Amino acid sequence: GAGVSQSPSNKVTEKGKDVELRCDPISGHTALYWYRQSLGQGLEFLIYFQGNSAPDKSGLPSDRFSAERTGGSVSTLTIQRTQQEDSAVYLCASSFSSQETQYFGPGTRLLVL
Amino acid sequence: GESVGLHLPTLSVQEGDNSIINCAYSNSASDYFIWYKQESGKGPQFIIDIRSNMDKRQGQRVTVLLNKTVKHLSLQIAATQPGDSAVYFCALTRTGNQFYFGTGTSLTVIP
Repeated sequence: GAGVSQSPSNKVTEKGKDVELRCDPISGHTALYWYRQSLGQGLEFLIYFQGNSAPDKSGLPSDRFSAERTGGSVSTLTIQRTQQEDSAVYLCASSFSSQETQYFGPGTRLLVL
Repeated sequence: GESVGLHLPTLSVQEGDNSIINCAYSNSASDYFIWYKQESGKGPQFIIDIRSNMDKRQGQRVTVLLNKTVKHLSLQIAATQPGDSAVYFCALTRTGNQFYFGTGTSLTVIP
């Protein structure tokens, strides 16, 4: 079956612009995670969705970052007024439920000029 | 919170030798642990996991060891192959809401 997909695979934007990153989780997975990975670094947790529960937004670095998950499936991570330090790979993962194995998408490589 | 550290950021091994990658964690309440492999330009790929009620689990050429007393996790790769070259991350959780990841160990296999 299909794995986690993310789009776009690469995004180059100018400082100050807004960007939207999309994640399609594995069908039937109720948990969805967003992470950020800077060059040569580990994964930084951003936000977590579990079913219809309120998302855990504790990892979002600023109020410029927000995420939605519509219909318990597709998720969109939005970064407003992008800054150069937002440049990173944004990874999405899904799992059947919380505390189960997370399956990662290929990531979106964001470059803010 | 939780801190997760790896003992070595880089590791080079000869093809055919065994590799051992280590992780140390700080929160004794952590109860689910995963090892991921990340190849260049790709997302992390699940390798093997272990829950806190176990101290050892084996897969194909990989073994994960968990020592809860000293809060230490290791990944052993038997007969390392060039295709094993990648960055390896440990990840752990205690709440099920947030996973904590180590910074990764870059494994290079020398043919």
